[in-house]
Amino acid sequence: QLQLQESGSGLVKPSQTLSLTCAVSGGSISSGGYSWSWIRQPPGKGLEWIGYIYHSGSTYYNPSLKSRVTISVDRSKNQFSLKLSSVTAADTAVYYCAGGPLAGPFDYWGQGTLVTVSS
Amino acid sequence: DIVMTQTPLSLSVTPGQPASISCKSSQSLLHSDGKTYLYWYLQKPGQPPQLLIYEVSNRFSGVPDRFSGSGSGTDFTLKISRVEAEDVGVYYCMQSIQLPPIFGPGTKVDIK
Repeated sequence: QLQLQESGSGLVKPSQTLSLTCAVSGGSISSGGYSWSWIRQPPGKGLEWIGYIYHSGSTYYNPSLKSRVTISVDRSKNQFSLKLSSVTAADTAVYYCAGGPLAGPFDYWGQGTLVTVSS
Repeated sequence: DIVMTQTPLSLSVTPGQPASISCKSSQSLLHSDGKTYLYWYLQKPGQPPQLLIYEVSNRFSGVPDRFSGSGSGTDFTLKISRVEAEDVGVYYCMQSIQLPPIFGPGTKVDIK
């Protein structure tokens, strides 16, 4: 059973870069066929997919955020990371990491971490 | 992007009674590989979403059989045959036939 756990700064100043990491346990992040995503949810609102990294290292980002997003993987630590630059208050949200088959559902989710953008 | 809509946006149900949620997509979710890329999630209060149904009608591991999914093309339905107190939360449909994956706006279900 895969388990995912987000970590990172819970408070980021406007214009700075949000950085989060998702540690994967119970399986290898390098396993074929799985993609690793970041999804966010502003307080009281719905879910927005940010992007994914595939086991091969290829990435795809939501066009709405593409210019500000970088997702990377650290296979030695079995974790993947999110960087979102030039943040504003609109980026305040609970950020989830999730895993699932490519083009398939998100089978496994982290518990989520609240990131607040404020000076 | 594909647009996902859900109706109703909120639902109050008596325990033991059925409930039904509709999800519509702006484009067909039927792929040339024969699969339909429509999923249902439940987000219980204070928790991350959990997968209920994949590819329209397949229950994910551990999901009670009171949950069922149906539909095709652009019109889909999630049904709960007999609502229980633990079923409260927000239900989301999601498409992944086309990137980016898009979630519906959610349907909030509570108990009368």
